[in-house]
Amino acid sequence: QVQLVQSGAEMKKPGASVRLSCRASGYTFTTYAIHWLRQAPGQRLEWMGWINPDDGESKYSESVQGRMTITRDTSATTSYMELRSLTSDDSAMYFCARASGGYHYWGQGSQVTVSS
Amino acid sequence: EIVLTQSPDTLSLSPGERATLSCRASQSLSTNYLAWYLQKPGQAPRLLIYGSSNRATGIPDRFSGSGSGTDFTLTISRLEPEDFAVYFCQQYYKLPLTFGGGTKVDIK
Repeated sequence: QVQLVQSGAEMKKPGASVRLSCRASGYTFTTYAIHWLRQAPGQRLEWMGWINPDDGESKYSESVQGRMTITRDTSATTSYMELRSLTSDDSAMYFCARASGGYHYWGQGSQVTVSS
Repeated sequence: EIVLTQSPDTLSLSPGERATLSCRASQSLSTNYLAWYLQKPGQAPRLLIYGSSNRATGIPDRFSGSGSGTDFTLTISRLEPEDFAVYFCQQYYKLPLTFGGGTKVDIK
C-alpha cells in the first residue's frame, strides 16, 4: 500500500534551518509529484512547493521562495524539504503529500517549533 | 491567487441529518480542479472528493460533490458519528494551490 512516512518533530531557534524528510513506498516514486504543505494552529493549510521526482524540477510559493529547497533521492524514494532563516511564523505542522488530482496520500506530519 | 471562501464556518447537526457545505472561488476553476478533504484533530487531511464530484478510493457514497466554475458543494447525505470533523476545499487549477478556511461540522 502507498505510504508516506515523515521524519520526526523538530525544535529550532530563530534564524536556524530545518530539514524534513518524506519517505515514499508502495508505488513508483518517480511517477507522482510530491508536494509540501504546512498548517499553523488555527490557520488554513498553506501550499509551499512541489518537486517532480523524475527530473528534480521544483516550484515554490512566493511566501517561501528563496528560503525553501525541495530535493529528492530517487534511490531512497525520499523527498527532503529544507527551510532556512526560521522565525516563529514558521512554527507549524508540515505535511508531504502525493499529488494526482488532489492529494490522495499524505504523510503523518512533522511538527516544527521555532522558539528562542 | 485564487481565494476559496467556505460557508458556513460551523454547522451544528445531529447524526442522520444532511450536511451541505459550500466553497466559493474568487475566479472560475474552469477545469473543475476542486477537491474536498476531511480532517480530524491531530491527523493529516483525508481526500474525499476530487475533480469536483469524484469520490476518492474508499469514500462512502453518502459523500457527494457538485458544482462548477466558482461555486462548489459538498453534501453528506446522512451524518455518521465519524463524520463530525473539519472539512475544507482546495483548488489545484492554478498555482499557488490554495485551500479554504474550513467548515467545522459538530454535533448539535
